[in-house]
Amino acid sequence: DAKTTQPPSMDCAEGRAANLPCNHSTISGNEYVYWYRQIHSQGPQYIIHGLKNNETNEMASLIITEDRKSSTLILPHATLRDTAVYYCIVRGGGTSYGKLTFGQGTILTVHP
Amino acid sequence: DGGITQSPKYLFRKEGQNVTLSCEQNLNHDAMYWYRQDPGQGLRLIYYSQIVNDFQKGDIAEGYSVSREKKESFPLTVTSAQKNPTAFYLCASRPGGTNTEAFFGQGTRLTVV
Repeated sequence: DAKTTQPPSMDCAEGRAANLPCNHSTISGNEYVYWYRQIHSQGPQYIIHGLKNNETNEMASLIITEDRKSSTLILPHATLRDTAVYYCIVRGGGTSYGKLTFGQGTILTVHP
Repeated sequence: DGGITQSPKYLFRKEGQNVTLSCEQNLNHDAMYWYRQDPGQGLRLIYYSQIVNDFQKGDIAEGYSVSREKKESFPLTVTSAQKNPTAFYLCASRPGGTNTEAFFGQGTRLTVV
């Protein structure tokens, strides 16, 4: 499985853009990058996913580098309710097709 | 309502007893997953199943067992062989295909005393 590396924590001011990086240098050609977030003691919530093109939905934007070795999740106008742990994961391919492996994630703290 | 349901939300058991955690989904999803989360840690994959009557070990399967006799159900048994069973357990499901996201239940917090 492709492994992901994220910074353990980040801060962001309310109303500003939060840019959360993720490194997935061993990703293979048919593996998607997924982002989830988890608010304390709840199940993770899906945010966005992509293969190689940049993606945008009502929650966030996902920027994937051309070589696909890294990506950035962008929350354009962070609010206090965006404080959570953000996980970047790569969906397993080959013999691990369908496997969803989470790393430690990034604790994002949005402050007033 | 459609969704994924884990029950109960809180569960207490005595050490040495097996305990089964329930996970049911009415989303008609093919794949289902079980994760364990310890305080301040990320999610670790225990078992996953991509189709009825088939499942694979995740990264920490020792001391756990699962079954997938029905598409909508994926119960997890925490056996007495699991050395540190106290944790937060999360179940997820996902439609088949390569371009689909997973949906999570709200979790069961198991405490073994």
